[in-house]
Amino acid sequence: NAGVTQTPKFRVLKTGQSMTLLCAQDMNHEYMYWYRQDPGMGLRLIHYSVGEGTTAKGEVPDGYNVSRLKKQNFLLGLESAAPSQTSVYFCASSYSAGSYEQYFGPGTRLTVT
Amino acid sequence: GEDVEQSLFLSVREGDSSVINCTYTDSSSTYLYWYKQEPGAGLQLLTYIFSNMDMKQDQRLTVLLNKKDKHLSLRIADTQTGDSAIYFCAFDTGRRALTFGSGTRLQVQP
Repeated sequence: NAGVTQTPKFRVLKTGQSMTLLCAQDMNHEYMYWYRQDPGMGLRLIHYSVGEGTTAKGEVPDGYNVSRLKKQNFLLGLESAAPSQTSVYFCASSYSAGSYEQYFGPGTRLTVT
Repeated sequence: GEDVEQSLFLSVREGDSSVINCTYTDSSSTYLYWYKQEPGAGLQLLTYIFSNMDMKQDQRLTVLLNKKDKHLSLRIADTQTGDSAIYFCAFDTGRRALTFGSGTRLQVQP
């Protein structure tokens, strides 16, 4: 049982480049989330999904897109990266909205120059 | 929305007790959580408390909830060097995701 995995672990992009972050979970969870973590600001929700084929905006969705074509995968896309998107990105999943625990991936450290 | 405040840093000596505090504004959460983040890793659920409880004890961890003052605390007894990490309080605010505090970095000195 791998839990929640994220690829890649590290990435450096130039301003204007695009990339996709992949999150995968093998726990058959319905809910999946993308957060970004910045120093002194905790984690902020970017987008989330309540099931296969559904996505919704979180607190800071601008500049990001997501897709959930398969239940086990949740993709986060940056179409035109900006230095303000330099951050550590965490994916998480949970059984349901009422579940008391979210399971987190190890994070992706993204630097945009 | 939820406004959550935590102090940024706490330093204690090994064997002492640590108390990490969190204040919040939205009292509608069903559960209140403490997550731990070790260096270079994701967050891991440490413990949680149901909103109708005042206290929960789990081995070396004690969670206190003061609903009147909107104050949540985590006490770690007999703090060890392995407890050095960042601790986040978090709340479910009915938006199908969690709202996190900014995190408290706990440094345990031998």
